[in-house]
Amino acid sequence: EAGVAQSPRYKIIEKRQSVAFWCNPISGHATLYWYQQILGQGPKLLIQFQNNGVVDDSQLPKDRFSAERLKGVDSTLKIQPAKLEDSAVYLCASSLIGRSYEQYFGPGTRLTVT
Amino acid sequence: QKEVEQNSGPLSVPEGAIASLNCTYSDRVSQSFFWYRQYSGKSPELIMSIYSNGDKEDGRFTAQLNKASQYVSLLIRDSQPSDSATYLCAVWEVTGGTSYGKLTFGQGTILTVHP
Repeated sequence: EAGVAQSPRYKIIEKRQSVAFWCNPISGHATLYWYQQILGQGPKLLIQFQNNGVVDDSQLPKDRFSAERLKGVDSTLKIQPAKLEDSAVYLCASSLIGRSYEQYFGPGTRLTVT
Repeated sequence: QKEVEQNSGPLSVPEGAIASLNCTYSDRVSQSFFWYRQYSGKSPELIMSIYSNGDKEDGRFTAQLNKASQYVSLLIRDSQPSDSATYLCAVWEVTGGTSYGKLTFGQGTILTVHP
């Protein structure tokens, strides 16, 4: 079974630029999550989708971050414009419906904002 | 916002020793608790779950839960250098009165097992 796929793996941008990350969950996993993990901290949930609907985006900085999952499968997370404090690893995870405690993480995208 | 706190670490133990990792959480209604392991530069992976008070053993790993004290721990017996990683405590909560849930992670404890 293929795991959660993410791309790119690394990205370096200057502040005020925009960036987008892509995630493809495990086949059959209806729930998809985007986390931000700053160095030395645990993952922080940014947004949670179930199929193509948003379940929780309470910690998403909506003035600069956006995410979509149009067809209920893969998802894109965008930052525009980026700030220095956005430097982090962006993790995508997926789970089966009703088993959101058992999440499978992708390899992550390491973003550096200079 | 729920808070999950872990002992700050880093924790260094000799090979073969018992490593003890601790976690406290702020919300008394939390029901499900998880330990994830994260190797350097890698993504978290689930290694243990515990839902009721007491101990749960899986190989060299034992999770302990005390809901009255809002405390959960992970013991690693016969620690090996391959256990060197960051261990993340996570608390699961049902959100918004629906069947949806989310995980809140602690900041992690770095464990180093030296030969």
